[in-house]
This record gives sequence, C-alpha cells and structure tokens, in this order.
Amino acid sequence: QVLLQGSGPGLVKPSETLSLTCTVSGVSISTYYWSWVRQPPGKGLEWIGYVHYTGTTNYNPSLKSRVTISVDTSQNQFSLNLRSVTAADTAVYYCASTAGYCARTKCFTFQFGMWGQGTVVPVSS
Amino acid sequence: EIVLTQSPGTVSMSPGESATLSCRASQSVSSNYLAWYQQQPGQAPRLLIYGASVRETGIPARFSGSGSGTDFTLTISRLEPEDFAVYYCHQYGDSNTFGGGTKVEIK
Repeated sequence: QVLLQGSGPGLVKPSETLSLTCTVSGVSISTYYWSWVRQPPGKGLEWIGYVHYTGTTNYNPSLKSRVTISVDTSQNQFSLNLRSVTAADTAVYYCASTAGYCARTKCFTFQFGMWGQGTVVPVSS
Repeated sequence: EIVLTQSPGTVSMSPGESATLSCRASQSVSSNYLAWYQQQPGQAPRLLIYGASVRETGIPARFSGSGSGTDFTLTISRLEPEDFAVYYCHQYGDSNTFGGGTKVEIK
C-alpha cells in the first residue's frame, strides 16, 4: 500500500520560510514525480510544483520566485520550502504523486493519483 | 495559463438523481489531459477520471467523463449518499491548473 505522509511545523510567522516534508512509503520515490498542492481555507486547489528523483523541478509561475522543492532519495522523501510567507499562504498543503516523463528539454506530468492527508499550515504572528 | 471555469458553483440534488458538472477551459486542453477529483470535507482529493474519460481503478461506473478541446463534463448517475461532495477539474496538458470546484449538495 502506497502512503504519503506530510509533516512540518504547525505555525509559521509572516516573512519566514514554510518547510514541509512528505515521506513516501510502499513505493520507491524514483517511480513517480512528486508534487505539492495547496488549498486555502474554504477555497480551491492550487498546484505549487513538482520534483523528480533526478532533481528535475517545475514550479507554478506565480510562486516560482519563492519556492524550492527538493528530493532525498535515501529517505524516500521530498520537501517544500516556501520563503517570505504572508497570511495569504495559510492553507492545507498536500503532497501528491503523478506519473510523467521527460523528452528532450521538456517534462510532462499527468493526473495526481495518490495524495497525502494534508498538513494545515497557518501563517500568523 | 489555462483557466478552468466550473459550473454550476453549487448544485442541489436528491439521492438517485443524476448530476452533470461542467468544466470549460480558456483554451484547448492538449491531448484531452483533463482529470476530475472528488473531495469530501476534511479529506484529500480523490482521483476519479483522467484523460477526460478514463475511470480510475476502483471508481464506480456511475462516474463518467466526457468532452474534448475546451468543454468537459463529469456525469454522476444515480447519486449515492457518499457522492455529495466538491468536485474539481484539473488540466495537465500545459502546466497544471484547477477549476474552482462544484459542490454537489443534498436537496
């Protein structure tokens, strides 16, 4: 059984960095691409970005300047760093898997097949 | 960026009825790379449909997807009590964007 378990601090202060980790069990992290998706309270879903075990990344242009997603293959984990947060970054953060491939200089990813349970991250002083 | 507009925002139905949810894209979705998810309160989204019409393993046959280009539809035949939830469409043909969601509530 494949499980994605997100973890991180319960509260982040404005202007600081939000850091979350997703631990994958039941499948090698080299099998898929790994994404972060967030959902502000009472609102819809927003894709943040993905990472591949090779280190390839792709980010939502609206967040690209503040986001870094990395992978630790030895721990079967991947992580999200979101810098300079504000109250607008308050959300439930989900980690999710997606199949994909790279051809020449471009990578393609598909639907989000498996999701973690979500980590609530309030941004408040 | 491809913008996805879902309609209606909320639909009130009775168990046993059929629901038709719409997702319209601001430009054509490449290769019909369009997925649908169901989200229950307090839970993560669950994949229902991908490739516009392919049902994910384990999803009941009462869920069906159709459409191409810019217009896509999710149909839920004979609503069961567990089907009352919020539904999102997602295009992955050009980066990733989600629609704003349609809530299916009990009348």
